[in-house]
Amino acid sequence: KAGVTQTPRYLIKTRGQQVTLSCSPISGHRSVSWYQQTPGQGLQFLFEYFSETQRNKGNFPGRFSGRQFSNSRSEMNVSTLELGDSALYLCASSLGAGSGGPETQYFGPGTRLLVL
Amino acid sequence: GDSVTQMEGPVTLSEEAFLTINCTYTATGYPSLFWYVQYPGEGLQLLLKATKADDKGSNKGFEATYRKETTSFHLEKGSVQVSDSAVYFCALKSGGTSYGKLTFGQGTILTVHP
Repeated sequence: KAGVTQTPRYLIKTRGQQVTLSCSPISGHRSVSWYQQTPGQGLQFLFEYFSETQRNKGNFPGRFSGRQFSNSRSEMNVSTLELGDSALYLCASSLGAGSGGPETQYFGPGTRLLVL
Repeated sequence: GDSVTQMEGPVTLSEEAFLTINCTYTATGYPSLFWYVQYPGEGLQLLLKATKADDKGSNKGFEATYRKETTSFHLEKGSVQVSDSAVYFCALKSGGTSYGKLTFGQGTILTVHP
């Protein structure tokens, strides 16, 4: 079974631009979560989608948004990029059946975004 | 809110040494606990997990026991290898409406020398 895939793997943008990242979950998984990883803040939860609905959201500004399609693929968008948005963006998928249960999240390799 | 605290790194060991990485947590209710590992240039891989008090998760020689009385989930391995060099993250998922949210510790860099 194919793992979680993320595209693109690397991205360079300039301040003020916007960017869209894509995540394809493991087949059969309906939940997709997004995380930002930086050296200073570590791994921080952005949001989670299940069946095309956002179920949970972290403490990020409204410039960060996401969506999920009927095939469970997800995209996240960052508008008006800032230097501090440079990070590794990871998505993770899971079956999504439970709420806070012990369901394992499987991570993709990430998209490394550099904002100049 | 939920939080996870890991021991400060980096940790440097010789091959075949014993490894302990401490992890303590704060959470409401009864969280599930996880250890993830990240190799250079890659995403996170689940190493092991435990879903209730006194559960022991184990995988590839690594072990961790869910200790509710001390709110801890320390990672141990009896004999490390060079290939274990990576960043290790302790994480929790609370119950209720936490859904797909994992709360991570800051990560511990492990370097194993031959």
